[in-house]
Amino acid sequence: EAEVAQSPRYKITEKSQAVAFWCDPISGHATLYWYRQILGQGPELLVQFQDESVVDDSQLPKDRFSAERLKGVDSTLKIQPAELGDSAMYLCASSIRQGSSYEQYFGPGTRLTVT
Amino acid sequence: AQSVTQPDIHITVSEGASLELRCNYSYGATPYLFWYVQSPGQGLQLLLKYFSGDTLVQGIKGFEAEFKRSQSSFNLRKPSVHWSDAAEYFCAVGGSGGYNKLIFGAGTRLAVHP
Repeated sequence: EAEVAQSPRYKITEKSQAVAFWCDPISGHATLYWYRQILGQGPELLVQFQDESVVDDSQLPKDRFSAERLKGVDSTLKIQPAELGDSAMYLCASSIRQGSSYEQYFGPGTRLTVT
Repeated sequence: AQSVTQPDIHITVSEGASLELRCNYSYGATPYLFWYVQSPGQGLQLLLKYFSGDTLVQGIKGFEAEFKRSQSSFNLRKPSVHWSDAAEYFCAVGGSGGYNKLIFGAGTRLAVHP
């Protein structure tokens, strides 16, 4: 069964350092999502792509976060510089197309700890 | 504003007992409703969804949920819990239309006693 791949699974970094996460969605899925899940909370959407275009990045802290999906396939989420409050699980999901009626498939996530 | 409330942070049940997890939503339009499960170290898996029609929906792993518009609720139920059901459960709401993001609740952590 096809799955969403994410790497690394765990990342420890010092504050003010740069960190990057990678996501490979299910083949053929046009829509890709990056979520942040703070401990004890539900996932919150950071950015949504339709193919290579950003559809929603209203919750992305653009002063330090960036995301790209250059060829409309895999995606990278970067944080520079990392802050203590960025410690969280970063989840990637994909769906065949955008819209709530299309199931989102989630990857296993990257757990980030900023020290 | 759109929101999802899961009133119970933690629930503990005995194996074989019935389960009900509560979810209340606030949404200005016709809601699409979802329940996801997250096992430790794993991503989220869709249990079931409600778009329209029959207000009682069946999902995977023996779960069901009932949509009650008058109460703005979408509670998740299972008649007999198994130890493997121990996980965190998230309710989410989205909207109909071409683009609508999902709003998740804070989750309910389920523990199952043998």
